[in-house]
Order: sequence, then C-alpha cells, then structure tokens
Amino acid sequence: GDSVTQMEGPVTLSEEAFLTINCTYTATGYPSLFWYVQYPGEGLQLLLKATKADDKGSNKGFEATYRKETTSFHLEKGSVQVSDSAVYFCALSEGYGGATNKLIFGTGTLLAVQP
Amino acid sequence: EAGVAQSPRYKIIEKRQSVAFWCNPISGHATLYWYQQILGQGPKLLIQFQNNGVVDDSQLPKDRFSAERLKGVDSTLKIQPAKLEDSAVYLCASSLDLLAGWDEQFFGPGTRLTVL
Repeated sequence: GDSVTQMEGPVTLSEEAFLTINCTYTATGYPSLFWYVQYPGEGLQLLLKATKADDKGSNKGFEATYRKETTSFHLEKGSVQVSDSAVYFCALSEGYGGATNKLIFGTGTLLAVQP
Repeated sequence: EAGVAQSPRYKIIEKRQSVAFWCNPISGHATLYWYQQILGQGPKLLIQFQNNGVVDDSQLPKDRFSAERLKGVDSTLKIQPAKLEDSAVYLCASSLDLLAGWDEQFFGPGTRLTVL
C-alpha cells in the first residue's frame, strides 16, 4: 500500500541555519502531498501542500516541491528560528476529493532550533 | 471560528476497562476523522465519517473499537476492553466536505490515553 518515509530526528540546528527534512513516498496513483506541523502542546496544522508533480508548496518561509521522478517532497527553509521548533510530518492523500480524503503520515521529525 | 474540540485531554485506565472519547468538529464540517497516533509513529486513520455515514473503517479494530456520529455532528470513539497497545493519542479531525473536492483537515488537540 501507499506509504511515506521521512528522515528520523531529532534535527538540531542553530538559529538562521538552513533546514532540510527529507520525505519520500510510495503510491500507486497520483497522490497529493502535505507537510503538517505540530507545535508543543498544540494540534496538527497544515503547513503546505502540493497536488501535482512539479508543484511547489510554500508557507511561512518553508517550501517543498513535488518531485514525481524521485518520489520526494523534501521540506526546506532558508533560515530557521527558535519558534520553528516542532514536530514535522510528511503525508500523502490517496484521494483528491472523491471517495476518500484519508491522510497517510510519516513518522514525524522533531526539529529543535537553538538560539 | 472555533476549532475541533476533544475531551478528555488525558485519560488513564487499566487494561480491560472501557473508555470513550468525544469530538466536536468545526461547525458545518460534514467529514469527520479519528486517527490513532502511537508514540514515535505518525497518525493512522481509524475511521472516517461523511455526515453520519461511515466512509472508511478498514483499519478500525472492530472487536474492541467502535465509533458513532449519530446526528452528523459530534462523534464518540469507544474502546472496550482496552489493551496495553491501545496507549496512544487519539486525534479527531474534520473537513468541510470531501465530496466537494480536496479540503483541508483541521485537527483537534487529541486525547492522550494511557493503559496500565
């Protein structure tokens, strides 16, 4: 079945460092791809999404590009802040509308940014 | 706009006991999801409702888990009897209407269950 694999954490960076969190996926069809973020003590929030190949999702300085040829959706940010410390989840949706909107998540990557 | 509400936030029970979780989705959202998040893993969908009908419950352990959404609004997830491996965070999410095309899922804060 469909699955998502993301790099294990924790990832520890200094403020203003460059961030990459790798995510690859396996899917039989043409999934939509997402990054969710979970700040300490809060629920999951959608950070960005991409619905087709070569789409770039972006939000709050984070970016990820849907690469069908490498089945990847790596999360990047040019300069992280302490406030970016959170757990980041890569996810895919098997259906885009239609019968199901089920999300399949990776295991999450803890990012800790030090001042 | 109020978000997805869940209660209780924390629950500790002994194995073989029963437990129930409650979820109130965002007003007007037709689709409701229950996910199970075991420590160190990503959330896994247990059941999905469209209004008061079940869309997908393929990963719900039906011998011990049950869920209902009788009036198409609030939902309850029950475990009876609980096992040690049910210790997890149970997340509820809602979205406007999956039949209208892709729509964002909004997550509640979760209920952390510990089974001793």
